[in-house]
Amino acid sequence: RKEVEQDPGPFNVPEGATVAFNCTYSNSASQSFFWYRQDCRKEPKLLMSVYSSGNEDGRFTAQLNRASQYISLLIRDSKLSDSATYLCVVSTGGFKTIFGAGTRLFVKA
Amino acid sequence: DAGVTQSPTHLIKTRGQHVTLRCSPISGHKSVSWYQQVLGQGPQFIFQYYEKEERGRGNFPDRFSARQFPNYSSELNVNALLLGDSALYLCASSLGPVNEQYFGPGTRLTVT
Repeated sequence: RKEVEQDPGPFNVPEGATVAFNCTYSNSASQSFFWYRQDCRKEPKLLMSVYSSGNEDGRFTAQLNRASQYISLLIRDSKLSDSATYLCVVSTGGFKTIFGAGTRLFVKA
Repeated sequence: DAGVTQSPTHLIKTRGQHVTLRCSPISGHKSVSWYQQVLGQGPQFIFQYYEKEERGRGNFPDRFSARQFPNYSSELNVNALLLGDSALYLCASSLGPVNEQYFGPGTRLTVT
């Protein structure tokens, strides 16, 4: 089993749609959780940290369920500019950061 | 403020050679991590350095080594290059080992 697993893509959605990405992690000792986005041939950019209480940043909402070892990202009112690969990231207390393989999102007009 | 910088941007090497990649973190960040990313996959963790000491290591062979300098910049060294080492090498800096990481633009290494 992979340490961090994400929904296989790609997701193809129309503009204005709501899309949800899921991610599971295997190490219960994991401490920090993040979502990054990566555009083609560019470096990953931090989208948001994920907290147990959940957090929201504009159209983006992230949730963490420690009991189920599950992280989610919800994007509302999708824009063309949201097209990218979304990476789920988990850091353990052992100073190790694991990226998921990523889920590609295509938003179409 | 300057972000994370990496050099060189691109590099072509021959099998068996050695390569050194360099990274300068965001000012004030004391942790630097290195990743390898091949097309179609997420970044794979190689090393994390914090306060000039190796604090974490991924599943990479001993041909891969790194160090962090007193100014918190870092070098990644790869010996005896293989074709499979061709990838984008990313450096990320953070305030501490579990804080948000900010990535540099990467060094694209091609081994022929």
